[in-house]
Amino acid sequence: ILNVEQSPQSLHVQEGDSTNFTCSFPSSNFYALHWYRWETAKSPEALFVMTLNGDEKKKGRISATLNTKEGYSYLYIKGSQPEDSATYLCAFNDYKLSFGAGTTVTVRA
Amino acid sequence: NAGVTQTPKFRVLKTGQSMTLLCAQDMNHEYMYWYRQDPGMGLRLIHYSVGEGTTAKGEVPDGYNVSRLKKQNFLLGLESAAPSQTSVYFCASSYVTEQYFGPGTRLTVT
Repeated sequence: ILNVEQSPQSLHVQEGDSTNFTCSFPSSNFYALHWYRWETAKSPEALFVMTLNGDEKKKGRISATLNTKEGYSYLYIKGSQPEDSATYLCAFNDYKLSFGAGTTVTVRA
Repeated sequence: NAGVTQTPKFRVLKTGQSMTLLCAQDMNHEYMYWYRQDPGMGLRLIHYSVGEGTTAKGEVPDGYNVSRLKKQNFLLGLESAAPSQTSVYFCASSYVTEQYFGPGTRLTVT
């Protein structure tokens, strides 16, 4: 069982503000790190798959960075909007996924 | 192209009853997975399969069995349901790394 930790567990953001949160994972036997966006009553949707140290990925206002040597990834949301409210999951991939518990983001209008 | 589908969407069982959850995918993916999702615990892998006819245990396999007789289907069985198995179950499939999830099955065991 791999230890994948996400912090904080939840956060509240004012509309228009930017925010970021962390995923930490084992730094050995790294294959890939995944980020998923999970809205209530829906199934998780893939955001990013990151494989190289120093990787930076971007999709609209959401971006992510990866540091495999120290075992962490940051997810950033720029100019948060109410539709960004969701739980963001990271998953460490050593040929099967080990998920963190998620960071639940609530954007207040 | 339906993606990943799960049957049923909801089910209530009594302790000791058995049932099978069906996952189907039409993307010709080799890999399929069963997860359970409980509050504050994210997704935990129950069993997975790397191809037709093969299955392997995940993080929390006890109390569950699986079968992958056809490439497109992955079945999750509960032989004798227990209240601790009350959860939301998600199936996923993948070609290499990115997993595609089904809509989930909400199971309550009373």
